[in-house]
Amino acid sequence: LAKTTQPISMDSYEGQEVNITCSHNNIATNDYITWYQQFPSQGPRFIIQGYKTKVTNEVASLFIPADRKSSTLSLPRVSLSDTAVYYCLVGDIDSLEYGNKLVFGAGTILRVKS
Amino acid sequence: GAGVSQSPSNKVTEKGKDVELRCDPISGHTALYWYRQSLGQGLEFLIYFQGNSAPDKSGLPSDRFSAERTGGSVSTLTIQRTQQEDSAVYLCASRARQGLSNEQFFGPGTRLTVL
Repeated sequence: LAKTTQPISMDSYEGQEVNITCSHNNIATNDYITWYQQFPSQGPRFIIQGYKTKVTNEVASLFIPADRKSSTLSLPRVSLSDTAVYYCLVGDIDSLEYGNKLVFGAGTILRVKS
Repeated sequence: GAGVSQSPSNKVTEKGKDVELRCDPISGHTALYWYRQSLGQGLEFLIYFQGNSAPDKSGLPSDRFSAERTGGSVSTLTIQRTQQEDSAVYLCASRARQGLSNEQFFGPGTRLTVL
């Protein structure tokens, strides 16, 4: 499983765009990149997933360069409620026999201030 | 529809006692996962079920931990002879069938405190 590296924490202000970068130098060909969000006292929540280039949904955008050794989660115009821990995960969603054993690192603590 | 539910939400027990934690996955989800999260730490994978079988038990920390799933639905995680280091939040997640996405839907967790 590919190891991921993210900043431990980031601070931002309401209304700003936040970019959190994750390094995954030994990503495998079949691996996808997934980001989860976790609020205090809750389980993680899926945000976005991608394989290459750019993916956008109603919550965030995910930018993946051609070499796929890193990825950037972009949160547009954050609010106080976006304060959470953000996890970058890398895994093979098509692994049949053993499923997809998601490996959560320490994540990035995002603090949004007013 | 209903999400993943877990019970109890909180459990306080004495060292040496056995505990059972329950997970009700989203209806129709074939895969079920157990994780634990210690204070201020990331999630640690424990075990995975596909249907009622557990092809990957590699994360179980010791033989005091066991889990089962019946009817392809409810799962129970059992910790025997609990130790203080077992104190953590135990999270359950479920997922639709293989290959669509690796989106896992998490429950709210069970906070276990071993005194």
